[in-house]
Amino acid sequence: DTGVSQNPRHKITKRGQNVTFRCDPISEHNRLYWYRQTLGQGPEFLTYFQNEAQLEKSRLLSDRFSAERPKGSFSTLEIQRTEQGDSAMYLCASSLSLSANLGNTIYFGEGSWLTVV
Amino acid sequence: DAKTTQPNSMESNEEEPVHLPCNHSTISGTDYIHWYRQLPSQGPEYVIHGLTSNVNNRMASLAIAEDRKSSTLILHRATLRDAAVYYCIPPVSFGNEKLTFGTGTRLTIIP
Repeated sequence: DTGVSQNPRHKITKRGQNVTFRCDPISEHNRLYWYRQTLGQGPEFLTYFQNEAQLEKSRLLSDRFSAERPKGSFSTLEIQRTEQGDSAMYLCASSLSLSANLGNTIYFGEGSWLTVV
Repeated sequence: DAKTTQPNSMESNEEEPVHLPCNHSTISGTDYIHWYRQLPSQGPEYVIHGLTSNVNNRMASLAIAEDRKSSTLILHRATLRDAAVYYCIPPVSFGNEKLTFGTGTRLTIIP
């Protein structure tokens, strides 16, 4: 399978614990995106990288959230001191660096479900 | 910021055509229109995109109004596997190249 891979797929954690999600994009894609989705809502943008550079961060990305893409390949999203409001599906996506305005497709993974109890 | 407007939900009978509308009145002349869909418990997937003229691919057709302020995603023969939330994505601008999702249209297919 050469699609976007995310793990773990499901994570249950106690409030206050730290969690980390990993995303492996499609191999030739140099852009990588993180989104968050709660029930009944569309995905909300969190951040994106071009290669290893983090180009944009949403205001949703509080200081408890940090994302990295150290070698421009895989990425991690860490949530520190989790809160119940962090319970959501975290989606990773990747694309080539052509602007989506040119019709370039963004490919999503199946998401990582986080439940904070 | 550019926005789109879609109905919250629609229903269709299996094996009939489905027309999913979207208004994007703030679109500019060079902005592409993108549609994605999200099947239950999966990440969104690309459906189709277009600029001015109507577009067809193996999944769907996209009919774009002449003034480009609205578009319609057409599923020619809906199947149960087409039950999903369909997102009409606000136009992406150069320098703001991320997809912004609203709540989309939840399409229910009736057997």
